[in-house]
Order: sequence, then C-alpha cells, then structure tokens
Amino acid sequence: NAGVTQTPKFQVLKTGQSMTLQCAQDMNHNSMYWYRQDPGMGLRLIYYSASEGTTDKGEVPNGYNVSRLNKREFSLRLESAAPSQTSVYFCASRRQGADEQYFGPGTRLTVT
Amino acid sequence: SQQGEEDPQALSIQEGENATMNCSYKTSINNLQWYRQNSGRGLVHLILIRSNEREKHSGRLRVTLDTSKKSSSLLITASRAADTASYFCATDTWQGAQKLVFGQGTRLTINP
Repeated sequence: NAGVTQTPKFQVLKTGQSMTLQCAQDMNHNSMYWYRQDPGMGLRLIYYSASEGTTDKGEVPNGYNVSRLNKREFSLRLESAAPSQTSVYFCASRRQGADEQYFGPGTRLTVT
Repeated sequence: SQQGEEDPQALSIQEGENATMNCSYKTSINNLQWYRQNSGRGLVHLILIRSNEREKHSGRLRVTLDTSKKSSSLLITASRAADTASYFCATDTWQGAQKLVFGQGTRLTINP
C-alpha cells in the first residue's frame, strides 16, 4: 500500500515549457487535491476533484489545468511555465466521509 | 487569502519541555485540523477538532478550539527530538466540498 505517489520528485523547466505532474493513490479515495507550497507559507489549493469525473478550481488556479484520469490518478499540467510557478507541489487524497487528507511526498519544480 | 494565521512562526525549546502553537482564523468553520511536515516531506495529519468541540487529546497532543475567538492551540507535551518539524493548522469551511485552507505554519525545533 504505497498511499499517495507523485512523479517526478524534482523538475527544472525553462520559461514557456510545459509539463505534467502525476499523482496516484491506491487507497480508493474519492477526492483528490493539488496544492502548491512557497517558502515560508502554508499550502494553497490549486485545483481539486471531489469525485471521479469532476474537477474544480481552488484558490490559485491560473496557469494550471488538471485531469482526473480515473479514480486513482489526478494530474496537474503547466501549459507554459513561468518563474512564478517555482514551488513545491503536493497532491493529496481523502476518503469519502472522512475529513483528513493524505499527502504525497511532493514535486519540487524550478522554472528558470 | 490565508484563513489560518499561526504564531509563533518559529519556536525552539529543549527536549522534554512543552510546545504550544496557536492558530487564528477568520470565518466560521466545520472543523480545524493540525498537520506536521518533516523537512522535505509531505504533510501528515495529526488531529482534528470539530466546531462543537472545545478540547481534544491524542497521545502527547492536546488541541483546543475557541470559536468565539476564532482560535485554536496545539500543545505537544514532553517534546522529543523527533517532534522537530513544521506544524500547520488547516480550516475546513465545507462550502459544498471540502477545501482546506492552511496557515503559514510554525517551525518547531527541539534541542537535545
């Protein structure tokens, strides 16, 4: 039981490049989330998926798109990376009826 | 905007002492959760307190909630070196879906 996994762990992009961050969970959770964490700050919600087939914007969605591929997988895409998107990205999932979220180990992204 | 504001931003104590961290928030909540983040890792759920609860215990953790002051505190008793981490409060306002809003965190260092 791996919990929440994220790939890649590290990535360096040039401004304007695109990439997709992958997230998968093996706990049969309904809801999945993408957050970003900037230095000295808490996590901010980018997008979430309350259930398979639905996605919705969080606090800071500009510059990102998401896909809930199936119940296990929730990907985050940067179409044209900008230096302001340099951050650590965390994926999380939550079981239906529960309140706590389970987090992946994070992807550290640098945009130069 | 951040719902939860935490203080202190950093706390350094001796092993065996108690550590207290505080969180304030702005709007009505469904519940408030505390998470721990070890350096370079994802967040781990510690404890949850619901809006109709005033105090909750889990092992060496004690959390209080004062909804009239919109504030919460996390007490870690008999601290250990392994408690060194960042601690975040997160408020759940449940607006049709669960969306946690995190504070900026307290960096706790336990000195041996």
